[in-house]
Amino acid sequence: AQSVTQPDIHITVSEGASLELRCNYSYGATPYLFWYVQSPGQGLQLLLKYFSGDTLVQGIKGFEAEFKRSQSSFNLRKPSVHWSDAAEYFCAVGEKAAGNKLTFGGGTRVLVKP
Amino acid sequence: EPEVTQTPSHQVTQMGQEVILRCVPISNHLYFYWYRQILGQKVEFLVSFYNNEISEKSEIFDDQFSVERPDGSNFTLKIRSTKLEDSAMYFCASRGEETQYFGPGTRLLVL
Repeated sequence: AQSVTQPDIHITVSEGASLELRCNYSYGATPYLFWYVQSPGQGLQLLLKYFSGDTLVQGIKGFEAEFKRSQSSFNLRKPSVHWSDAAEYFCAVGEKAAGNKLTFGGGTRVLVKP
Repeated sequence: EPEVTQTPSHQVTQMGQEVILRCVPISNHLYFYWYRQILGQKVEFLVSFYNNEISEKSEIFDDQFSVERPDGSNFTLKIRSTKLEDSAMYFCASRGEETQYFGPGTRLLVL
């Protein structure tokens, strides 16, 4: 069965500093990979996705993620964090099957210090 | 930009009561999903729906749960007899081009 691990429950970062959120997955083949963001009281917004091809993918709000097959990782990065990036971030893996259900990691809550 | 909508945003109910959570998926999408997130826990898959039938369901999705697409636009999740442990945020999603787009969620509180 597929699984997703986000090792960091909380991360605090200063505004303007860089951010990296870790995600490791377990899946039998190359999965579909996603990062979603959830602001307080909001739903899940898609930041970016990886299906195949270039392993460095760009998303919205200045985020990028890199797929590393050898490490089973899909880490999310942003070079310079803004206060509005304070939110919870979820990594998810999707099955390449008809149902295509998503399996989510536990999430990483990002706090941004002024 | 098209989006998934959900109503109500919040629902409070008594244990044993039936609730219906409503979703309007993105109009040209064909696959629909329900997920839930108990406070402090992971987002969990409940059920996927395609061509007017369930395509996959999780162990959580027992006989107390049902889904329906009653017309061309709505997608509903019914919990027949709510339990305290059904308290959670329920997210609807619809899928286009292998990507799921989520609604804002319904926060259900069972007392």
